[in-house]
Parts: sequence; structure tokens; C-alpha cells
Amino acid sequence: NAGVMQNPRHLVRRRGQEARLRCSPMKGHSHVYWYRQLPEEGLKFMVYLQKENIIDESGMPKERFSAEFPKEGPSILRIQQVVRGDSAAYFCASSPKRSLAGETQYFGPGTRLLVL
Amino acid sequence: DAKTTQPPSMDCAEGRAANLPCNHSTISGNEYVYWYRQIHSQGPQYIIHGLKNNETNEMASLIITEDRKSSTLILPHATLRDTAVYYCIVSAGANSKLTFGKGITLSVRP
Repeated sequence: NAGVMQNPRHLVRRRGQEARLRCSPMKGHSHVYWYRQLPEEGLKFMVYLQKENIIDESGMPKERFSAEFPKEGPSILRIQQVVRGDSAAYFCASSPKRSLAGETQYFGPGTRLLVL
Repeated sequence: DAKTTQPPSMDCAEGRAANLPCNHSTISGNEYVYWYRQIHSQGPQYIIHGLKNNETNEMASLIITEDRKSSTLILPHATLRDTAVYYCIVSAGANSKLTFGKGITLSVRP
């Protein structure tokens, strides 16, 4: 019963390059969330996706960041033209379909992005 | 989502119960109380959640006051591996985003 998987676990990019972070939700989960944790700060919500749909992107920076969750394959968080301020831990979480019992989000191990 | 208030830190002795308080005085009727913890820089780990009634699982117990304005997470027999930042979060569930505060840093001493 594999949990949420994220890869790569560590990613180093130079300023101006692109970063692609992947997240495979738990089996049977159709909802994915991305959170970012800057150094010495708390986790901040970025975006919530269901298959092929963005439900809430209120936490996404307006430029350079995008996310997708295609019908097949993992969810992708893409950061274009990275800057040093993008260095952070990016966590993905997944949850099952909506129920009345209150959904639980299960988190992956995170991707640590370092921008040189 | 309603905000929560937690003390910044606390400690307890290994083997003793750790009682972590949380205030959520503006919680709405449809909002759940969730507890997560983060050990070092690992991914947050789900602990427990509840709506009105007290809840217990293999990790912890959650005690929610009758007016739902506060709750307490109880780790019955704390171990060194329970040293972590514990987050109390209120959320409507139903696939809502989680709003993390600063949490409470629990230090378990030998």
C-alpha cells in the first residue's frame, strides 16, 4: 500500500532553468494538493487539483508556476525560469473522493529544490 | 478557514503523556479539527481528526470541548521519536486546503 510518492527528492537548478516536480497520489485518490515550505517557515497551500481540473489555485504565484494532473500519470508542478527565492521544500498531498467524514490529506516526502 | 492558536513550544518526559492544547474559538459548525505533525523536514504526518466527539486511534486521542472552541491532542506515552512540530488545523474537510500555522514544537526529553 504505497503512500504518496514524489520525485525527485532533491533537485538542483541554476537561475533561469525550469524545474518539474512530480507527484503520484495514493492508490484510489483522485485529489492532489501542492504546498510549499520556505526555509524556516510554515507550509503554504499552493494549488488543489482533481484529474484534468484545477479546483483552487489561490496560493499559486501569478507567474512562472503551473500545475497539472492529467488523466494518466502523475501530477506535475512546473516552475519556469527559477529564481533563488524558489528554493524550498515542495510537498504534495492526496485525498480520496469527497465524503461526509472529513477527508484526510496524506503527504508525500517532498522535493527539496535548490536554486543556485 | 478558522484560525487556531497554539503555544509555541512545550516539553515532556519520555513515557509520560503529552497534552497539546489548541484554541479555535471561531470554528464553524461544519469544520473539523485536524492534527498533523512534522518531524524534522519530513512530510507532514496525519495524526487524527474530529468534528464534535472525542476520537482515539493508535497514535493519539483528540479531546474536543463541548463548545468546540478548543481541543487537546494527547499522546499517551511520549517517546523520543515524538519530538516534532504539531499542527492543529481547522478545515471544512470536503477537499479543502489546509492552512498551517506555526504549530507547537514538542520536545520529548529522556
